Amino acid sequence: DVKVTQSSRYLVKRTGEKVFLECVQDMDHENMFWYRQDPGLGLRLIYFSYDVKMKEKGDIPEGYSVSREKKERFSLILESASTNQTSMYLCASGDSTRGTQYFGPGTRLLVL
Amino acid sequence: AQRVTQPEKLLSVFKGAPVELKCNYSYSGSPELFWYVQYSRQRLQLLLRHISRESIKGFTADLNKGETSFHLKKPFAQEEDSAMYYCALSGLNTDKLIFGTGTRLQVFP
Repeated sequence: DVKVTQSSRYLVKRTGEKVFLECVQDMDHENMFWYRQDPGLGLRLIYFSYDVKMKEKGDIPEGYSVSREKKERFSLILESASTNQTSMYLCASGDSTRGTQYFGPGTRLLVL
Repeated sequence: AQRVTQPEKLLSVFKGAPVELKCNYSYSGSPELFWYVQYSRQRLQLLLRHISRESIKGFTADLNKGETSFHLKKPFAQEEDSAMYYCALSGLNTDKLIFGTGTRLQVFP
C-alpha cells in the first residue's frame, strides 16, 4: 500500500514566519506534488518534482519554494508566511502511470 | 487553455436516487480524465479513470469527446457515497493533473 505522510496535520504560524511542510513517500515514486486546497477553488498545483533536485513551478508558485534532496522527501517552504496562505496543503506522489497520484492526509495551516 | 469545469458546488439527493456529477473540460489534444473522491476525514483518492472503462463502487463515467464531458454517474445513490468529488485532466506526456473545483455530493436517508 502506498503511503504518503505529511509532517503535521495542523499548524498555526504568525505572519512573517518561515514555514516548512514536509512530505515523505515510501513507494520509490519519481513524481511528487504540492497542492493547496481551498473551498470553491479546488486543488491548485504549487510545485512539482520529477526527480531529486529537480523542481518545476505549478500554477500558483508565488510565495512558495520547494526542496527535494532525497527521492522520498519533498518539502514545501513558505519563506515569509502571509494570511492569504492559510489553507489546506496536500502532498501527492505518483508513479509512471499517467495521472494516478497518491495523496497525503493534508496539513491545515493557519497564518495569524 | 486547459481547464476542468464542475458547474455544481453541491448536489443533494435521496438514497436510491440516480446521481450525475457533471464535468466538462477544455484541452487541445487527447487528455486522460479522472475522478478523485475525498470522503469525510479521509485523504483524496482516485475513484476511476476513463481509459479503464471500469465501474467502481457502482460509479461509471464515459468520456464524450464531442461534448468534451466526463460526467460521473451512479444509478442508485447510497449514503456512503456522500463525499467531495473532483474531476481531473492529464495531458499528453505529463503526470500533472488539472483539477476542477469539486462537487460535494450529499445523499440523504
